[in-house]
Amino acid sequence: NAGVTQTPKFQVLKTGQSMTLQCAQDMNHEYMSWYRQDPGMGLRLIHYSVGAGITDQGEVPNGYNVSRSTTEDFPLRLLSAAPSQTSVYFCASSYSWPPHQPQHFGDGTRLSIL
Amino acid sequence: GENVEQHPSTLSVQEGDSAVIKCTYSDSASNYFPWYKQELGKRPQLIIDIRSNVGEKKDQRIAVTLNKTAKHFSLHITETQPEDSAVYFCAALTTDSWGKLQFGAGTQVVVTP
Repeated sequence: NAGVTQTPKFQVLKTGQSMTLQCAQDMNHEYMSWYRQDPGMGLRLIHYSVGAGITDQGEVPNGYNVSRSTTEDFPLRLLSAAPSQTSVYFCASSYSWPPHQPQHFGDGTRLSIL
Repeated sequence: GENVEQHPSTLSVQEGDSAVIKCTYSDSASNYFPWYKQELGKRPQLIIDIRSNVGEKKDQRIAVTLNKTAKHFSLHITETQPEDSAVYFCAALTTDSWGKLQFGAGTQVVVTP
């Protein structure tokens, strides 16, 4: 039981490049979400999903896409990277929605956009 | 939407003293309030949570209180130890759409021996 696994752990991109941050969980959790963490701003919700095929926008969705084709995976796509997207990205999951149960976080992806 | 404010942003305490972090929220319908601890370079981890039908919850040295009327909740850490040094985040569950957690900006707690 690995919990929530994020890959890669670190990534450097050039402005305009695209990439996908991977997130997988093996706990059969319905609710998955992506956050970005910037200094002094806490965790801000980007997108979330309440089950396969169902996604919704969070607080800061612009510049990011998500899809949820399986219960296990919830990838986050950066369409055209911008320096403002330099951040630490966390994926989280919880058993059901609304996320009353504890959210389990991955180890994060540290992303730098040059 | 929900807005969560957290104070103070930094808190320095002597080992053995108590630490208190306060959060206010704006959505009176919010009904779930977790607290997360994040050590440097690590993932956030849930340390305690409270639902709106309860006024106080305690787990060893950690307690959370909730005042629904005033729309604020607080984290209390007693007998602080150096390993309590971390960033602490409060959050409130919004009631819009499917339900989302809105986080506070965090409190850096430093416990000095």
